[in-house]
Amino acid sequence: DAKTTQPPSMDCAEGRAANLPCNHSTISGNEYVYWYRQIHSQGPQYIIHGLKNNETNEMASLIITEDRKSSTLILPHATLRDTAVYYCIVRVATIIGSARQLTFGSGTQLTVLP
Amino acid sequence: SAVISQKPSRDICQRGTSLTIQCQVDSQVTMMFWYRQQPGQSLTLIATANQGSEATYESGFVIDKFPISRPNLTFSTLTVSNLSPEDSSIYLCSGYITGELFFGEGSRLTVL
Repeated sequence: DAKTTQPPSMDCAEGRAANLPCNHSTISGNEYVYWYRQIHSQGPQYIIHGLKNNETNEMASLIITEDRKSSTLILPHATLRDTAVYYCIVRVATIIGSARQLTFGSGTQLTVLP
Repeated sequence: SAVISQKPSRDICQRGTSLTIQCQVDSQVTMMFWYRQQPGQSLTLIATANQGSEATYESGFVIDKFPISRPNLTFSTLTVSNLSPEDSSIYLCSGYITGELFFGEGSRLTVL
């Protein structure tokens, strides 16, 4: 799985958009970009994933650059409950029967400030 | 969304004893994964557990220390044996459900 680089920490004002960057310059053509977050003392929570098109769901948007070497997770209106460690992970897609583990890096500690 | 339950959620154990952590998934999963998260650190994969076969351990983790059972497609246990203070961590189980990896809430172990 390709390695990712994320800033160790970021702050964001409550109600503002939080933009979390991730570099994955060695990503392969068949690797997806996944985002998880871990709120303190809880298990990691899936947020979103994408291959090359931008993706949006009820939690966040994922913007992947055209060369796929970096991406940005956007929380459009951050709340205090979004304070967590955010992990960007790249890996091949799940194939039934050969699902692979995720390799977690250090992530970004996002602190949403009141 | 799928629910993965772990028991115990936390425990305090004496050095030299063992702790068994249970992981129950509310749907069938082919592969389950056990992770360890040491204080202030990211998650590290311990092993992959398949039903009906021995678990596959990552480098630095051995079966004698971390025996795993996987009796069916919805349940797994991880035992941390011969506990030492260095084993104080959060242990998390996870499984793929509808193509995405879900995690339990973790079991926080403190070894005195």
